[in-house]
Amino acid sequence: DAGVTQSPTHLIKTRGQQVTLRCSPKSGHDTVSWYQQALGQGPQFIFQYYEEEERQRGNFPDRFSGHQFPNYSSELNVNALLLGDSALYLCASSLVRMKNIQYFGAGTRLSVL
Amino acid sequence: ELKVEQNPLFLSMQEGKNYTIYCNYSTTSDRLYWYRQDPGKSLESLFVLLSNGAVKQEGRLMASLDTKARLSTLHITAAVHDLSATYFCAVEVQGGSEKLVFGKGMKLTVNP
Repeated sequence: DAGVTQSPTHLIKTRGQQVTLRCSPKSGHDTVSWYQQALGQGPQFIFQYYEEEERQRGNFPDRFSGHQFPNYSSELNVNALLLGDSALYLCASSLVRMKNIQYFGAGTRLSVL
Repeated sequence: ELKVEQNPLFLSMQEGKNYTIYCNYSTTSDRLYWYRQDPGKSLESLFVLLSNGAVKQEGRLMASLDTKARLSTLHITAAVHDLSATYFCAVEVQGGSEKLVFGKGMKLTVNP
């Protein structure tokens, strides 16, 4: 049973560029949440997708957007990258109707130069 | 707004010793999680605590929850080097949102 998978594992971009990160949830899960973890900090909630719609959002600017596909996989897009966007981006999946635990992927390390 | 505080943020201890770390949160919540993170790795779920007085144990770690005090503890018994990692508590925003608010994490180093 595959867990939560994220791609790519590492990414280097320059300021002003755009980036897309991908996440496949754990088999059987229908909800995907995205978190940003800056170095030395706890993860911060970006947004959550369920039934292909953004269900809720944290305190992140509109430069951060996302999408969920019919197969429950998800993308996180960040436009106009800033140096401060450098972080580990974590995807977590769960099954909403079961209110079960969230499982995290290995993350994508984004470096903005 | 829900805030989660952990203390201490750094802990260096010797193998064989016991210690308790704390997680306080500011508003009512349905669930509290403890996660472990090794350097450069993702988050590994340790415990989910669902109700007042809940206690869970796995190996040398035991977690408890006091919802009235808005406090969770993670007790380490007879620490070993393999427990060295960063430990996060995360609190779910009330209302079934599944949005988690994390503490800053506690970096634990267990010395031989």
